[in-house]
Amino acid sequence: QLQLQESGPGLVEPSETLYLTCIVSGGSISSSSCYWGWIRQPPWKGLEWIGSIYYSGSTHYNPSLKSRVTISVDTSKSQFSLKLSSVTAADTAVYYCARHKGDYGDLSRGFDSWGQGTLVTVSS
Amino acid sequence: QSVLTQAPSVSAAPGQKVTISCSGSSSNIGNNYVSWYQRLPGTAPKLLIYEDEKRPSGIPDRFSGSKSGASATLGITGLQTGDEADYYCGTWDRSLSAEGWVFGGGTKLTVL
Repeated sequence: QLQLQESGPGLVEPSETLYLTCIVSGGSISSSSCYWGWIRQPPWKGLEWIGSIYYSGSTHYNPSLKSRVTISVDTSKSQFSLKLSSVTAADTAVYYCARHKGDYGDLSRGFDSWGQGTLVTVSS
Repeated sequence: QSVLTQAPSVSAAPGQKVTISCSGSSSNIGNNYVSWYQRLPGTAPKLLIYEDEKRPSGIPDRFSGSKSGASATLGITGLQTGDEADYYCGTWDRSLSAEGWVFGGGTKLTVL
């Protein structure tokens, strides 16, 4: 059974960079039939897609966050990572990693497995 | 403001049926698959419906999905108190200027 687990600091200072990692187990991160994505949910707000990456390293980002986001993958460690720069209080959220169904170039099929989520607070 | 519009809340009695709508446009729902997610309090979202109307294994047939044009609907029959949750639709959006995955604003279901 596929499992995803987020890890990273729970507190980040304003203007600094947020780093999170998602470890994938119970399945292959090098699968050709999916991407790997990051989604967040700020307190009392809805879900927001951050971006997704294919095992080859090909990425797609939310246009509103693209200038600050980098997603990378390390297939040897079965993990993928999120880097969000110049954070502000508006970046405070629960961050989820998830498997994004779909063959290469097809990101329309949704997210079928999710990590439990990790709360990141931006504050000094 | 999301490009996918959902009613903020809906309520119904146990045992009843409820529908949750998700309205978009030809750049998203009209030309891409829709999926639905259930977020129970304090838990991660769970996929309920994918590719407009398909249910993952383990999702009861009380949950159904449909799509017509640029709108999609999630139906839940035989409501249970355990169905109280936030429900989100999502799809790929491809406009002239940008593309990416979008979620609706979410609908809070209350089972009275």
